[in-house]
Amino acid sequence: NAGVMQNPRHLVRRRGQEARLRCSPMKGHSHVYWYRQLPEEGLKFMVYLQKENIIDESGMPKERFSAEFPKEGPSILRIQQVVRGDSAAYFCASSRDPISRSYEQYFGPGTRLTVT
Amino acid sequence: SQQGEEDPQALSIQEGENATMNCSYKTSINNLQWYRQNSGRGLVHLILIRSNEREKHSGRLRVTLDTSKKSSSLLITASRAADTASYFCATDSNSGYSTLTFGKGTMLLVSP
Repeated sequence: NAGVMQNPRHLVRRRGQEARLRCSPMKGHSHVYWYRQLPEEGLKFMVYLQKENIIDESGMPKERFSAEFPKEGPSILRIQQVVRGDSAAYFCASSRDPISRSYEQYFGPGTRLTVT
Repeated sequence: SQQGEEDPQALSIQEGENATMNCSYKTSINNLQWYRQNSGRGLVHLILIRSNEREKHSGRLRVTLDTSKKSSSLLITASRAADTASYFCATDSNSGYSTLTFGKGTMLLVSP
């Protein structure tokens, strides 16, 4: 039973390039969350998606960042025109339907983005 | 203090000792969860405690929740060097969404 999978694990981009981070949720999970972790910090929520729907993107910067979770395939977090401040670890988590209010979020290993 | 703030920031103990970490939060919650993160790795879910629960055990872990004080504690008994990691509490609000708010974590170092 594979857990949450993220790729790539490490990504190096030059300023101005695009970064695409992928996340495949656990089997049976249809809810995906993206978090960002800066060095020495806790995780900060970015966006919450269900299949083909963005439920909550209140933590996502208004510009350059976008996320999708298509009907088929992984969830994608896309950062356009990266800047040095985007360097961080980006974690994806998935859960079952949280409506039951007794859910757990399972995290992937993260993608470490370095912008040079 | 921010939602889901852990205390202490860092804790250093000897193997075999108990480690206690605290977490305070501000808003009403549905659940509170504790996670562990080894250096440079992803988060591992440890335990979830619901807002109507006061205490929960899982192996060497004991979690308490006091909703009147908006605080939780994580106790690791008989610690091992392998317990060395950062520990985060995460809360979800009862606003209807299920996103988690994390604190900055407690860094635990267990020396052999």
